[in-house]
Amino acid sequence: EDQVTQSPEALRLQEGESSSLNCSYTVSGLRGLFWYRQDPGKGPEFLFTLYSAGEEKEKERLKATLTKKESFLHITAPKPEDSATYLCAVPSNQAGTALIFGKGTTLSVSS
Amino acid sequence: EPEVTQTPSHQVTQMGQEVILRCVPISNHLYFYWYRQILGQKVEFLVSFYNNEISEKSEIFDDQFSVERPDGSNFTLKIRSTKLEDSAMYFCASSVETSSNTGELFFGEGSRLTVL
Repeated sequence: EDQVTQSPEALRLQEGESSSLNCSYTVSGLRGLFWYRQDPGKGPEFLFTLYSAGEEKEKERLKATLTKKESFLHITAPKPEDSATYLCAVPSNQAGTALIFGKGTTLSVSS
Repeated sequence: EPEVTQTPSHQVTQMGQEVILRCVPISNHLYFYWYRQILGQKVEFLVSFYNNEISEKSEIFDDQFSVERPDGSNFTLKIRSTKLEDSAMYFCASSVETSSNTGELFFGEGSRLTVL
């Protein structure tokens, strides 16, 4: 069964304190890994797509990387507005148009 | 910037009642989806819709659920006889390409369904 596991569940950082979030997956024949941001009470907002091991994508203070077994979302010098839940997702092998989401990492950045 | 809009934002209903959740996807998108998120749980796939028919559905999407695109703009999710366990946030999403290609879905803000 396709699985996506994210860690840690919650992360508290001081403004400017860099860190990384982890997403590990057990999917045969990965066809892409996707990162989303979700603010409280809102729908997920797309951030990145990664297709192959070694690939990196960047957006402002966020950088996503992919290996053969996991992906990392690196947050450099975070600001309070980066506080959100970060979700990763992969396409399902059982249902090709479905995305399987992890539970997410809830990031809180205090000033 | 175009966005996916959902109504209502919150609906409270009695167990056994029918509920219709409405969505207006982004106008040039071809693929439409419903996901749900039970409080504190993962975002879960319900159904995908393309070319006026269901592409795929999950085990959650049983006979009590149906989807429809009644006109060129709306996309609806109907729950025929609600159960307590249907209480969740329901998200509509749309995309230009199938989600398995780019992963880029555009989600609405959700409809919170509370079943009493």
